[in-house]
Amino acid sequence: EAGVVQSPRYKIIEKKQPVAFWCNPISGHNTLYWYLQNLGQGPELLIRYENEEAVDDSQLPKDRFSAERLKGVDSTLKIQPAELGDSAVYLCASSSTQGNTGELFFGEGSRLTVL
Amino acid sequence: DAKTTQPNSMESNEEEPVHLPCNHSTISGTDYIHWYRQLPSQGPEYVIHGLTSNVNNRMASLAIAEDRKSSTLILHRATLRDAAVYYCILWNGGAQKLVFGQGTRLTINP
Repeated sequence: EAGVVQSPRYKIIEKKQPVAFWCNPISGHNTLYWYLQNLGQGPELLIRYENEEAVDDSQLPKDRFSAERLKGVDSTLKIQPAELGDSAVYLCASSSTQGNTGELFFGEGSRLTVL
Repeated sequence: DAKTTQPNSMESNEEEPVHLPCNHSTISGTDYIHWYRQLPSQGPEYVIHGLTSNVNNRMASLAIAEDRKSSTLILHRATLRDAAVYYCILWNGGAQKLVFGQGTRLTINP
């Protein structure tokens, strides 16, 4: 069974440019998460989806970040415009909502470098 | 969110057991104790979880204190591939999210 797939793995952009990350969760997983991980830190939740609905986006900086999960499957996280401080790894994770006791499956992440 | 406390780093030798401690004194009765690990340049990977009783799986064992205020992840025979950051996390079913701390960076010496 395929795991969580993210792309691109690496992205280098100049500040003020837009960037988008894509995530394909494990088939059948209703819940999708986007996490941000700064160097040397643990991941921090940005947004959580239940199917196509964003049920927890309290930590998403909405002035420049946006996310969508059309049809409740794939998801895209966008930053526009990017700032130097956005350099980090963006992780996508998915889980089955049914009886979930906290087992999340993470992708390899998308490493963003803003110059 | 209930907090966990872990040592910043630990070191062990290959083929020896490793005991990674975690304190979670503010744990609530319905919080599950989870352990994840993150290998270099990878996303976090689920290791094990438990509620009250000790748990074993193919990767590790989880020993939970009787009062549930602490737990220990046990790697029975460490290999070089076990070198990673290990996170101890409390899962609250209501919030449906993992709140990561700093974790413990485990180094395995050959």
